[in-house]
Formats: sequence, C-alpha cells, structure tokens
Amino acid sequence: ETGVTQTPRHLVMGMTNKKSLKCEQHLGHNAMYWYKQSAKKPLELMFVYSLEERVENNSVPSRFSPECPNSSHLFLHLHTLQPEDSALYLCASSPGPGYEQYFGPGTRLTVT
Amino acid sequence: QKEVEQNSGPLSVPEGAIASLNCTYSDRGSQSFFWYRQYSGKSPELIMSIYSNGDKEDGRFTAQLNKASQYVSLLIRDSQPSDSATYLCAVNRDDKIIFGKGTRLHILP
Repeated sequence: ETGVTQTPRHLVMGMTNKKSLKCEQHLGHNAMYWYKQSAKKPLELMFVYSLEERVENNSVPSRFSPECPNSSHLFLHLHTLQPEDSALYLCASSPGPGYEQYFGPGTRLTVT
Repeated sequence: QKEVEQNSGPLSVPEGAIASLNCTYSDRGSQSFFWYRQYSGKSPELIMSIYSNGDKEDGRFTAQLNKASQYVSLLIRDSQPSDSATYLCAVNRDDKIIFGKGTRLHILP
C-alpha cells in the first residue's frame, strides 16, 4: 500500500448504528486530519492530530469521535448519526502542521 | 474578508487554450501556497506547491505567487478535457492549511 488509504470506501448506516472509519498513511507523516465534504460544498476541517495528539477540534458534534493510536493510523467513530451527516469523509496526512496535505480516497457515508 | 477567496465559476475554457485560475488570501504572513485538483466525487490531489514570489512551472502547470498583492494563480496551458475539475487553492496560516471553496473549470471540446 502506498500513500493514504481509507476503509471502507462506501458505508450505509442507520441512525442508531455504530461504525468506524479507518485511515492509514504510509508516508511517514506526523500529522493527520479528518475532513467532511458535503455535496457541492467546500471542505470542512473536523479534527487535526499532530504526533498523535489532537490539536484541533472544529466544533464537531460529539456523535463523531476521533482516535489516533499512532502516527500512521486515524479512526473516526460514528454513533447515532443524522441524515445530514451523509457526506464524503476525507482523511489526509502531512509531514507536519502547515505542510502540504495528501488525501486518501475518502469514505462515502450515507445515513438512512 | 474571507481568508482564502476563489471565484466559484464555472470557468469555461476552449480546449487547447490557457486556463487561468486565481486566488487571493488575507493573511500577509502566509508562507506556503498549494493548488489541488478535485474531480467530481473524488478526493483532492496536490498538483503544485509554491513558496516564493514568481513563477513555478511543472509540465503544463504554472503557479504564480505575488505576496505583495496577496494573490496566487494557476495557469494551465494547452487545456485538455481531462483538466475539467474543481481547483482548490490552499494557504498556510500559522501552521494551518486554509482551503478556498474552489473554482470549477470546464474545458470545452
């Protein structure tokens, strides 16, 4: 595997389900990010981790819970989501905060 | 004033012509600037980085930076239909990357 990978690529879940999104980077980077992108809308930064420490949380609802066990892996735990949470969820990594970011392919999430 | 501003478009350019995409930013202390290309339904892909005033060329792409005027642009020469995408400008502000909303580019065959 190279670059930034995300699984699953597609996810359909009910409002009462619990699921997790996984991101892995193979670039030796120290910073990882979660973004949300709704249809025809700009990127929304959700969380930033630098050296496994959360450094930014942009007023994201508590039904989204990030986890960064090491510098290569990032998770987004989802529970009791709303239909308006349906979007493309993108993971990115960079050598450090403020450097160029490399994106994974994204997880297309649909909440029914 | 928005931190990173781009015209949302769509910008329509005939095939073979030069496409010019512009971006302005508000923080005069910004040091790093990036252009991403995003195809519909796909993730953004980094295509250019520029750090100093002037031009930087990579194949058909040229990034131009003018820190005094606080703008950065991307020129695409010999535009191809495959260049049709949304182009995102991104700026480093205090170790944070701020993305613009993107310009939709449509290359007319």
